[in-house]
Amino acid sequence: GQNIDQPTEMTATEGAIVQINCTYQTSGFNGLFWYQQHAGEAPTFLSYNVLDGLEEKGRFSSFLSRSKGYSYLLLKELQMKDSASYLCALVDSNYQLIWGAGTKLIIKP
Amino acid sequence: ETGVTQTPRHLVMGMTNKKSLKCEQHLGHNAMYWYKQSAKKPLELMFVYNFKEQTENNSVPSRFSPECPNSSHLFLHLHTLQPEDSALYLCASSQAGPGDVGGELFFGEGSRLTVL
Repeated sequence: GQNIDQPTEMTATEGAIVQINCTYQTSGFNGLFWYQQHAGEAPTFLSYNVLDGLEEKGRFSSFLSRSKGYSYLLLKELQMKDSASYLCALVDSNYQLIWGAGTKLIIKP
Repeated sequence: ETGVTQTPRHLVMGMTNKKSLKCEQHLGHNAMYWYKQSAKKPLELMFVYNFKEQTENNSVPSRFSPECPNSSHLFLHLHTLQPEDSALYLCASSQAGPGDVGGELFFGEGSRLTVL
């Protein structure tokens, strides 16, 4: 079967670094997306990884290990505006998106 | 104009009402989607349209009826809904399918539906 797991909620401090993990089990893999969703707003695209390794985009980085079925989103120099839910979604062998339930990130001053 | 616009943003309806949700995308994309988002649950894909043709219907009850008159507009017609259908309904568009270049989704802000 196919399965994606992410922590339900995380708390971090402004200015710090936080890593949001996403683990998955799937029979086929064609990439993994991360989206950000602020409360009451549309999800917005953050990153897409299909090869192993780390991809950096400003304060946000996304990492993928296909052999371990594992990805993480790394947020540096946290700002209050980073308080949001972060959604992980993998592309399966049929090119369908399988979504995680999302991680709510709370940033404290 | 924002890329993907949904109306209404909020809707309260009784179980015997008929209403419609509207989505419009200004991005020139070829694919449009309806998703259901419930609290603390993964996004549930309901319908997919590619070039106005429905390509996916994920066992959605017939009380939800999609319509795609052109590649820029998507509707979700609602009829005799149940209280468990209360959720955020998100519309999205993409230039290509997941796994392809340009496969990222652009979402609207959603229509918050409450069924009494």
